[in-house]
Amino acid sequence: DIQMTQSPSTLSASVGDTVTITCRASQSISNWLAWYQQRPGRAPKLLISKAAHLERGVPSRFSGSGYDTEFTLTISSLQPDDFATYYCHRYEGDSDTFGPGTKLEI
Amino acid sequence: QEQLQESGPGLVKPSETLSLTCTVSGGSVSSGSYYWGWIRQPPGKGLEWIGNIYYSGRTYYSPSLKGRVTISIDTSKNQFSLNLNSVSAADTAVYYCARRKAAAEFYCFDQWGQGTLVTVSS
Repeated sequence: DIQMTQSPSTLSASVGDTVTITCRASQSISNWLAWYQQRPGRAPKLLISKAAHLERGVPSRFSGSGYDTEFTLTISSLQPDDFATYYCHRYEGDSDTFGPGTKLEI
Repeated sequence: QEQLQESGPGLVKPSETLSLTCTVSGGSVSSGSYYWGWIRQPPGKGLEWIGNIYYSGRTYYSPSLKGRVTISIDTSKNQFSLNLNSVSAADTAVYYCARRKAAAEFYCFDQWGQGTLVTVSS
């Protein structure tokens, strides 16, 4: 099974900062990776697919990059609504795996 | 805008079967453009994929739950369902149903239900 890790597990930042979250796969997954934002008590929201493709309606301050086993989610000019937990998600035709999450706190 | 809504008991006894249904509105589970999936989240923890189903009935399950989980689809009711048997306290979680794109390279969960908390306790 492919395992996913994220770092850091918790990230402290301030409004206006730029932050980067890293996701690593235990083996190559090409660019078949997505990122989700989850606010407390809410369902996850898809932000980015195929490692770098921004979903419709997602602010451009969110960006993703990476290939093979290492991926990053960058959020620039942090807004109050951005303080949430972020999950990476590795997918293929017949299975899915989520990373353990990164909590972005003020 | 397609919407998904989970329904089912909020309390299940240990060793019994957890059963949930996801009703899709504003769209069709018969669409070949999507898979339909279940994901869970224990209180205070991360997301765990349970399994997916395609409109044809083809299913894909997490290896860690395979053997206890069954996902089915009812196109006439525009619903899909989750059965998890022999539950224990470790199965206590918020259970989400979600729509998963079926386009290669974009197999992401782009629409989610609000989630339903299921507690396993006697």
